[in-house]
Amino acid sequence: RKEVEQDPGPFNVPEGATVAFNCTYSNSASQSFFWYRQDCRKEPKLLMSVYSSGNEDGRFTAQLNRASQYISLLIRDSKLSDSATYLCVEYNAGNMLTFGGGTRLMVKP
Amino acid sequence: EPEVTQTPSHQVTQMGQEVILRCVPISNHLYFYWYRQILGQKVEFLVSFYNNEISEKSEIFDDQFSVERPDGSNFTLKIRSTKLEDSAMYFCASSEESRAGTEAFFGQGTRLTVV
Repeated sequence: RKEVEQDPGPFNVPEGATVAFNCTYSNSASQSFFWYRQDCRKEPKLLMSVYSSGNEDGRFTAQLNRASQYISLLIRDSKLSDSATYLCVEYNAGNMLTFGGGTRLMVKP
Repeated sequence: EPEVTQTPSHQVTQMGQEVILRCVPISNHLYFYWYRQILGQKVEFLVSFYNNEISEKSEIFDDQFSVERPDGSNFTLKIRSTKLEDSAMYFCASSEESRAGTEAFFGQGTRLTVV
């Protein structure tokens, strides 16, 4: 059974802080991952794809560690608007996505 | 910006009734999906659909469920004889391709409440 596991949080951080989330996956053959963001009672929205070499998009950096089977997301200079649940997502053949349970982030003024 | 649209936004139904959830995928997308999220739980894959047939389905997607593309724009999920445990947010999604790294775009969801 394919599993994606995340610390549910919540992570409570002040504005401007740097925060990091990790996610572990069980399927060693998995090739592709994403971070999605989900606001309360809304649909998941793609934040960024995760590549082996790591990738950065503004304040967000994603990293994949295949040896240890974990994915990370780093958010720098946190904004109030970053408050949301961050979903670690594994791509499976046929574009079937396996979602983690999400990590809740609350950025406080 | 093109988006996936779902109707209705909220559906309340009595246990045992049939419901049809409707979705209009993004127009040039070829792959369509249904996911569900029970309150407080993970988003779970139900089914994927391509070229007018089911490509993949999860163990959740049993005989109670069916999908259809009745015309060139709509994609529906039918739940027969609803149960209390079918109460969840149902998300439709679509993508251009099915290869690794392709973004799936999600609709805003239909909240189904079975009473």
